[in-house]
Amino acid sequence: GAVVSQHPSWVICKSGTSVKIECRSLDFQATTMFWYRQFPKQSLMLMATSNEGSKATYEQGVEKDKFLINHASLTLSTLTVTSAHPEDSSFYICSARDLDSNQPQHFGDGTRLSIL
Amino acid sequence: ELKVEQNPLFLSMQEGKNYTIYCNYSTTSDRLYWYRQDPGKSLESLFVLLSNGAVKQEGRLMASLDTKARLSTLHITAAVHDLSATYFCAVRRWTGNQFYFGTGTSLTVIP
Repeated sequence: GAVVSQHPSWVICKSGTSVKIECRSLDFQATTMFWYRQFPKQSLMLMATSNEGSKATYEQGVEKDKFLINHASLTLSTLTVTSAHPEDSSFYICSARDLDSNQPQHFGDGTRLSIL
Repeated sequence: ELKVEQNPLFLSMQEGKNYTIYCNYSTTSDRLYWYRQDPGKSLESLFVLLSNGAVKQEGRLMASLDTKARLSTLHITAAVHDLSATYFCAVRRWTGNQFYFGTGTSLTVIP
């Protein structure tokens, strides 16, 4: 079945550094990928929609300058958390939509980000 | 604003018992998804419900969709410990294909 690979799975950084998270669709092309954030014991909150070859669409309240999204190819989207602070610590999950619209989104394994 | 609400938020039940989790959503959508999440893990797709009246069953779980009432249910039959997890419903928005997740139901099955 369709697989979405997310890397890294866990990262710990000092406050003020930038962290890049990759999301790859391994066996299908994804014109659209999605980035979610999940705080402990809470639901997934959609942060942004990543569109191949164009600018990402951010949900209300998400700082686009803080969370930089690049979707340079049909199989790769990256999320960069710039100048990360402890409050950015969270579980970040990406998903990719198969071009067959009847298929559900395929989720990556998530990245646990801890900012010290 | 699209809202997806689940009820209950937390559920503790004994093995062998039945229970239903409810998912209400506030916008028109014909696609409703159910996912399972184990602690520290990503999401596992359980069901995709594509039309009004759709019913799907897999093992001890059965999901249904009523698009007119904007309601989906996830019914658990004769619960077993392995079903302990957090369950999310999600609704796909008509335009843009974004998914919006419910609040989640944390299920604990007690032996």
